[in-house]
Amino acid sequence: EGQLVESGGGLVKPGGSRRLSCAASGFTLSSYSMTWVRQAPGKGLEWVSFISMSSDYIYYADSVKGRFTISRDNAKNSLYLQMNSLRAEDTAVYYCARVLVFYRLDSWGQGTLVTVSS
Amino acid sequence: EIVLTQSPATLSLSPGERATLSCRASQSITKYLAWYQQKPGQAPRLLIYDVSNRATGIPARFSGSGSGTAFTLTISSLQPEDFAVYYCQQRSNWPPLFTFGPGTRVEIK
Repeated sequence: EGQLVESGGGLVKPGGSRRLSCAASGFTLSSYSMTWVRQAPGKGLEWVSFISMSSDYIYYADSVKGRFTISRDNAKNSLYLQMNSLRAEDTAVYYCARVLVFYRLDSWGQGTLVTVSS
Repeated sequence: EIVLTQSPATLSLSPGERATLSCRASQSITKYLAWYQQKPGQAPRLLIYDVSNRATGIPARFSGSGSGTAFTLTISSLQPEDFAVYYCQQRSNWPPLFTFGPGTRVEIK
């Protein structure tokens, strides 16, 4: 079924940057599109970004467009999220998730917490 | 942009009771409607996809139905492990956005 493990979370100051990683195991990352989804403390799920199998198609939520960059390295079985110009409202647990057949997210990582605070 | 609305926000029920959760879309959507379960401190888990198909390993007490703009997740007889938050989710063709509903919390009465 496969496993996803996020890393890179932590405390960052407003205006700062952070790079999240998602390591895939038990399946071939290059065969799947991937997404990042975040969840602010005590809040619901918010989709952040999508990347297709070969990085041909990349989409972002309006809330992060121009500040976040999604990328992948299929040779390393890894997904990334570069987050710049971070704001307090970006504080959340960030999950990577595998996309199956257009839209359903059938495998999720355990999440990594990013806290933006001075 | 399609907006998903879920009701009720909270559902208070006893084990063994039937739970009916609603998800409404701001415009008609295709079959690409999924439901997820999330327990405290855990990642979401896919329950239902394509409106009514159970994901691998999901018990038969979970079922999905609906079409157009109105969708329902039904839990036929609540088990102690079913008390959690449930989210519906869809993806539109254009703009190519993923959307989640705000969630319904199913709590023990």
